[in-house]
Amino acid sequence: GAVVSQHPSWVICKSGTSVKIECRSLDFQATTMFWYRQFPKQSLMLMATSNEGSKATYEQGVEKDKFLINHASLTLSTLTVTSAHPEDSSFYICSAQEVAGGRAKNIQYFGAGTRLSVL
Amino acid sequence: SQKIEQNSEALNIQEGKTATLTCNYTNYSPAYLQWYRQDPGRGPVFLLLIRENEKEKRKERLKVTFDTTLKQSLFHITASQPADSATYLCAPILSGGYQKVTFGTGTKLQVIP
Repeated sequence: GAVVSQHPSWVICKSGTSVKIECRSLDFQATTMFWYRQFPKQSLMLMATSNEGSKATYEQGVEKDKFLINHASLTLSTLTVTSAHPEDSSFYICSAQEVAGGRAKNIQYFGAGTRLSVL
Repeated sequence: SQKIEQNSEALNIQEGKTATLTCNYTNYSPAYLQWYRQDPGRGPVFLLLIRENEKEKRKERLKVTFDTTLKQSLFHITASQPADSATYLCAPILSGGYQKVTFGTGTKLQVIP
């Protein structure tokens, strides 16, 4: 199956700093990628839909100035948590939807996730 | 509003038995339904997709059913093994194309040796 690489897998940072998380589709093109957040013992909550070459679409309640998304190419999307605070500590996961023959397949492939701890 | 419900309690099952997980949805008419597996500290892994016109789908020891009348999908693992222990997530999808996926809360399965 298709592989999505997410980096870093774990990051610890001081309050007030910014953290960038990368999501790459390794062997397929992904016009659309998704960013999720997951708190312990809870399900994945969609934060935003990342579209190559255009602005991301954010879910209600997600601050777009706080969580900056850049989808610069068909294989790379980045999520930057700006001025991180302890309440931003969470597990962040990206996913990518494969495009084949100009159409999106219905399967999303997930990265391994990034554990963010803000001190 | 759209709602997805899975067994909220953890499911403990003896090795070798069949595990059955439930996914109920309301205010939805999904064209597809996906099942994923998630291990602690990892991203979900795709397992199976079933379409609304399919009653049943199988893959090795896995079987998924999709009842659009009951608005329910059942996920079965036969001859369960301790390695099957994980959280299983269902995700109904409205149609094809670029669809954001909303996940159920997940069911934690523990297979006891």
